[in-house]
Amino acid sequence: GENVEQHPSTLSVQEGDSAVIKCTYSDSASNYFPWYKQELGKRPQLIIDIRSNVGEKKDQRIAVTLNKTAKHFSLHITETQPEDSAVYFCAASAGGTSYGKLTFGQGTILTVHP
Amino acid sequence: GAGVSQSPSNKVTEKGKDVELRCDPISGHTALYWYRQRLGQGLEFLIYFQGNSAPDKSGLPSDRFSAERTGESVSTLTIQRTQQEDSAVYLCASSLRASYNEQFFGPGTRLTVL
Repeated sequence: GENVEQHPSTLSVQEGDSAVIKCTYSDSASNYFPWYKQELGKRPQLIIDIRSNVGEKKDQRIAVTLNKTAKHFSLHITETQPEDSAVYFCAASAGGTSYGKLTFGQGTILTVHP
Repeated sequence: GAGVSQSPSNKVTEKGKDVELRCDPISGHTALYWYRQRLGQGLEFLIYFQGNSAPDKSGLPSDRFSAERTGESVSTLTIQRTQQEDSAVYLCASSLRASYNEQFFGPGTRLTVL
């Protein structure tokens, strides 16, 4: 089955710096890669996603890049703000009959210091 | 509309008892998902439904776990003969359809098995 590895497990940055979180996946059939943000005690919320026919996608200060050959994808947050502090999860969805199944990484605790 | 709702929000039970967790998806969402999140961990896929069918049950940890969905709406996750290792937050999510759509999460049910 699919395995998703996420690094780093914790990331501490100063306000205004950039933050990068990387994920690798094992199933070459995976073709949908969402990123979720989970604030303490809250439910996960989608912040950006990318599909396998796209190499990069941006939404304001957030961008995701995908390298299908290397089977890795990354989240980039620029001009970080204290409210970006949260746990971030990457995920991968396989094709075929399991396209509804998301396999999540273990999460990255991002702390943005004012 | 309302978002995904789950009940109860908290459940404390004794080892060996059965528990039922309920999920009400967003109206019109045909796909519904169950995840488990242990403290400080990522989201672990349990099962998903497209309509009332469950194409992938591969994440159910044991035969003590079962889930059903009726009327393409409410879903119930049942854990029989609960064990202490079942303690976790159980999250439900729904999406318009299973293929590559944003999953909207509920607030979760925190299950504690004493």
